[in-house]
This record gives sequence, C-alpha cells and structure tokens, in this order.
Amino acid sequence: EVQLVESGGGLVQPGRSLKLSCAASGFTFSNYYMAWVRQAPKKGLEWVATISTSGSRTYYPDSVKGRFTISRDNAKSSLYLQMNSLKSEDTATYYCARHGYPGSGWFAYWGQGTLVTVSS
Amino acid sequence: DIQMTQSPASLSASLGETVTIECRASEDIYSNLAWYQQKPGNSPQLLIYDANSLADGVPSRFSGSGSGTQYSLKINSLQSEDVASYFCQQYNNYWTFGGGTKLELK
Repeated sequence: EVQLVESGGGLVQPGRSLKLSCAASGFTFSNYYMAWVRQAPKKGLEWVATISTSGSRTYYPDSVKGRFTISRDNAKSSLYLQMNSLKSEDTATYYCARHGYPGSGWFAYWGQGTLVTVSS
Repeated sequence: DIQMTQSPASLSASLGETVTIECRASEDIYSNLAWYQQKPGNSPQLLIYDANSLADGVPSRFSGSGSGTQYSLKINSLQSEDVASYFCQQYNNYWTFGGGTKLELK
C-alpha cells in the first residue's frame, strides 16, 4: 500500500524558514517524480514544486520560485520542501504527492497534509 | 501559463441525478487532464487521468470526456458519498488546477 506521510508543519513568523518532510513507503520511491501541492484554508489546490526521479530536475511556479527548494533522498525514500522568506500567503496545508506511472503528469497518491501557518 | 476555468463553482443535486462539471483550458492541453475528488477533511483523490481514463478503484458512475480546451466530468446516479469538491488539473505544460466545484445534496 502506498503511503505518504508529511511532517514539519507549524506556526512560523513572516520572513522565517521551515522545512517539510514526506516519508514514502509501499512503492519504489526512486522510480517516480514527486511533488508538493498546497491548499490555503477554504481555497483550491496550487501546485508548488515537482522533482525528477534522480533529483536533477526541479520545477516551480513563479509564486514560490527562488524561495522554495524541493529535494529528495532516494536512499531514505524521503521528499523535502525547504521554504524560505515565508509570507502570510504561504499559509496552507501542504500535501506530498506521487506522480502516476513513471513519466506521467497526474498525481496518483496524496499524503494527509501538514499545515503551515505564517503569522506574527 | 495555462489557466483552468472550472464551472460551476458550486452545485446542488438530488440523489440519483446525473451531474456534469466543466473545465476549460486557456489553450489546447491535448487531453493531459486529470480530475480529483476531495471529501471534507480529507486529501484529494485521483478520479480520472488522460481526460477519460478511470483511476483504480473509482466507481464506473464517474466518467471523463473532452478534448482540446474543453473537458467535463460526469457523475451518473449521484450517491451520498459523492458529496465533495472536485478539481480539474492540466499537466500538458507544468501543472495547474481549476478553481474547484463544491457538490452538495439538494
């Protein structure tokens, strides 16, 4: 059974940093692109970052480019999101997601999410 | 950037009714479209990928169609467990979600 378990969320002040983690199990982690997707309270979904199988390629929307960094450790089956210069608009539940079969674009599995609150 | 416009934003329907949700892309996305269901308090779950392929374990009353810039999700014979929010997502050029449709029972 595929499992994705996020951790690291919490309350952080504007301008500070936070690092999220996602522990994956139930599949061969190194074979799949992975992603982070967020959802502000009572709002829709926003793609935040995607990383290739080896970690050599990363992709971000303009809203987080230069502030967020996605990374992975295939030996530990773990995904990370380093978030710097946090803003109030980054407040959201952050989901770790696995892409579908290798090379596909949809998100086949999602974690339960971790809440990040940016406030002074 | 590809914009995804979903309609309606909210929808009220009766048990057993057929429901259709629309999604329009700002440019041709060549059927690179997925649909997700998110029940209250839960994370999203994949329903449909490649515009019309049913994900594993998804009931056959759900179906997807469309091409080019216009896509739709149809739910036949609405059940109480279908009360949820639904999101479309394009993956032709990076990844973008529609604004969502909140489905309630009438």
